[in-house]
Amino acid sequence: SQQGEEDPQALSIQEGENATMNCSYKTSINNLQWYRQNSGRGLVHLILIRSNEREKHSGRLRVTLDTSKKSSSLLITASRAADTASYFCATDELGGGADGLTFGKGTHLIIQP
Amino acid sequence: DTAVSQTPKYLVTQMGNDKSIKCEQNLGHDTMYWYKQDSKKFLKIMFSYNNKELIINETVPNRFSPKSPDKAHLNLHINSLELGDSAVYFCASSQDPGDEQFFGPGTRLTVL
Repeated sequence: SQQGEEDPQALSIQEGENATMNCSYKTSINNLQWYRQNSGRGLVHLILIRSNEREKHSGRLRVTLDTSKKSSSLLITASRAADTASYFCATDELGGGADGLTFGKGTHLIIQP
Repeated sequence: DTAVSQTPKYLVTQMGNDKSIKCEQNLGHDTMYWYKQDSKKFLKIMFSYNNKELIINETVPNRFSPKSPDKAHLNLHINSLELGDSAVYFCASSQDPGDEQFFGPGTRLTVL
């Protein structure tokens, strides 16, 4: 069954504004990761947050994790046209062994110049 | 240097054919994966391979089989291709299961 669900499915904002994407999941996890996919390309890892962490920063990215609500958010500050891409959350499920990550359906972000 | 590479980038073939997609990683990772991304961009794990242990997603038809000649390679063989196999297939690797994954550029498979 679908583990991660991103919200919204699509988001269009003006350059310079902040973009927030949310992810909900169903099972207990070891960590949650966010990836970016530019059109026609492979996924690129952005940030990993462990289940015992609540917030993590990397450059213009800020990720929060609320394990009680089984949700995470990705904030991109001061957006740029180059941030236009699809963003996926992925969970490493507790007890999942070598199963790999379970990906959500993604949020398509468009930054208007 | 490309960390995870796949060939071919595009593959167009007829129904019923057998085809292979190659994947190589030069990161020294112990775990490799194959994912299928459909037209709605939904990414589904197909296989993971770690220290000679193969884990198969139960929804994957047995027409799909991964082959690992060595730690750096995990190739995907597909027999008797069907229209529904049309998708983009991504190879990925990580040091350990659950770590950040490095993705290849994808192979767009079109079955006619």
